[in-house]
Formats: sequence, structure tokens, C-alpha cells
Amino acid sequence: DQQVKQNSPSLSVQEGRISILNCDYTNSMFDYFLWYKKYPAEGPTFLISISSIKDKNEDGRFTVFLNKSAKHLSLHIVPSQPGDSAVYFCAASEGGNAGNMLTFGGGTRLMVKP
Amino acid sequence: DTGVSQDPRHKITKRGQNVTFRCDPISEHNRLYWYRQTLGQGPEFLTYFQNEAQLEKSRLLSDRFSAERPKGSFSTLEIQRTEQGDSAMYLCASSLARTGRTDTQYFGPGTRLTVL
Repeated sequence: DQQVKQNSPSLSVQEGRISILNCDYTNSMFDYFLWYKKYPAEGPTFLISISSIKDKNEDGRFTVFLNKSAKHLSLHIVPSQPGDSAVYFCAASEGGNAGNMLTFGGGTRLMVKP
Repeated sequence: DTGVSQDPRHKITKRGQNVTFRCDPISEHNRLYWYRQTLGQGPEFLTYFQNEAQLEKSRLLSDRFSAERPKGSFSTLEIQRTEQGDSAMYLCASSLARTGRTDTQYFGPGTRLTVL
């Protein structure tokens, strides 16, 4: 049973445009959500997070939106740059903090074309 | 910048051999996690420590897997009698847990295990 799903395995976007990556979850006990970026042969790099008490969090070019009723979150990257090309994972945790196990989605490969 | 480090980066072994991986967390971090990632999947949680205490180990894949963090600093993950299905990337992460604050896990580069 996949509790966190990223239904788009890949996404291609033109440089300068918006990239929107989506993530759905089924466990209503999840209350903290994170996005990680992963380059080949490296570990995941933390990008941005959001608590379930918020519906939006912004950090520079990255914005995460959370829709609790739909159990859906999305990551917006504006403007997209070629260096953003990587695999993006969403992750979720229970218990009010990210200090316990993270449950990851399967990832979405983003390709930003110059 | 001393991030999370893992050693070795790559390990090739024959089926039936034992392997041990090491993780050095960010120095002030009190929590340490192990995950496994197979091709095309997201990381899968295995176990975690707070200081030297292993607080969750029910997700370890079998009794062939064990982890230690004897002094609350570095950690080792051992796989005994390796099988071809153990071939994967093994990731370590660390975080600083503080009361009332959410903590973020920071990952190392991983150890890629290939079992022949």
C-alpha cells in the first residue's frame, strides 16, 4: 500500500516557465510534508517543507501548496532553470515533526530544457 | 561544510558475504536514520537512532540486517549473508531533534551495494 504517490514519473518544462510537481497521500495522520531533490549518484537534498497547519510555504523560487481535504500537495518552481533538472521526491511524516520515519513517493524526473 | 558522510560509496560483494556500511552524521545532530532505495523507487525507511538508542527497528527488512550507533555519533549498518535482492542504495540521514521544533533530515551520498 503506497501511502505517498507521485503519479507523474517525468515532466519536461521549458526554461523560464513554471514547473508543477504533484503528490498525493492517503494517510490522514501525516502532518508534515517535505520535498527533496536528487541528482544521480548523490543523496536527496532537502528543498522545502510544510506543516499541516499551513496551506502554503514559499522559499525563493520554490513554493509548496498543501490541500488537506484533497490529501494533495504540489511543488511550484518559478522560473525553472536547467540546473533544476533532477528527480524530485515528496515525503511525509506523522507525529508533529519530521523526526520520525519519512514515507517517500516514487519520484518525478524533471527536465528543464534551455 | 561537514555534511553527512557515508563509507564506502560503492560495494560489490558475492552472495552470502557479510557487508558493513558506515555513516557519520552532521556533528551536532542527535538523530540518525537509515533508508534503502531501489531503482525507480523512493527511499524506504529502515531504522533510526536518537543518540545511541535505536528507537525504531521493526522496519529492518529481515534479521540479517542490523544497525548500531554505539557512542551516539557514527553508525554502522550490517547485512549478513547477502542476497541478490539486497542490491540497492543505502542512505543515511541525520537531524537535530529539539523540543517543540520540527527537524529536517539531511541525507548523505549513499552506499551503492551490488550483490553478485
